[in-house]
Amino acid sequence: AQSVTQLDSQVPVFEEAPVELRCNYSSSVSVYLFWYVQYPNQGLQLLLKYLSGSTLVKGINGFEAEFNKSQTSFHLRKPSVHISDTAEYFCAVTLSNSGYALNFGKGTSLLVTP
Amino acid sequence: DVKVTQSSRYLVKRTGEKVFLECVQDMDHENMFWYRQDPGLGLRLIYFSYDVKMKEKGDIPEGYSVSREKKERFSLILESASTNQTSMYLCASSFTGDTDGYTFGSGTRLTVV
Repeated sequence: AQSVTQLDSQVPVFEEAPVELRCNYSSSVSVYLFWYVQYPNQGLQLLLKYLSGSTLVKGINGFEAEFNKSQTSFHLRKPSVHISDTAEYFCAVTLSNSGYALNFGKGTSLLVTP
Repeated sequence: DVKVTQSSRYLVKRTGEKVFLECVQDMDHENMFWYRQDPGLGLRLIYFSYDVKMKEKGDIPEGYSVSREKKERFSLILESASTNQTSMYLCASSFTGDTDGYTFGSGTRLTVV
């Protein structure tokens, strides 16, 4: 079965600094990978996804992620964060025959301070 | 705007009560899912359904059951609520073969006292 590990439970960062949120997955078959964001007291919103093709994926709000098959990673990056990026971020994986349930990591809490 | 709607945003129930959490989607999705979200544990899958009257256990089905009598509605049932079921419950739906991920509801925060 596929699974996801988010390597950092909390990431504090100063405003306008770059940030990387780390995600590793395990699966013996082809997968789809996702990053979701959850702002305080809100539901989950899709940031970006990797299905196939280019390993660099661009999402909303200036975020991007790179799929690295050899390292089984899908790290999320942003070159300059804003206070409004403070949120919980979840990495998720599903088998490439989509419709299967998403398996989520435990989440990374990004705290951006002035 | 397409939606997944969870009937209650906040619920407070007593230990031992039978609790129904309702989820309705208006996108004609085949697949529907129930997750619970707890701090430090992320989202954990309780049950899911690929079609009407079909259900599959997720990772933590104990103490829960589900019902899907109509395509658009997926109910989560706590047969006898316990305090360890205090949590945020999230419903989601998707098309089979859909590569856009899932659409989530805004969640129901259940407190069992």
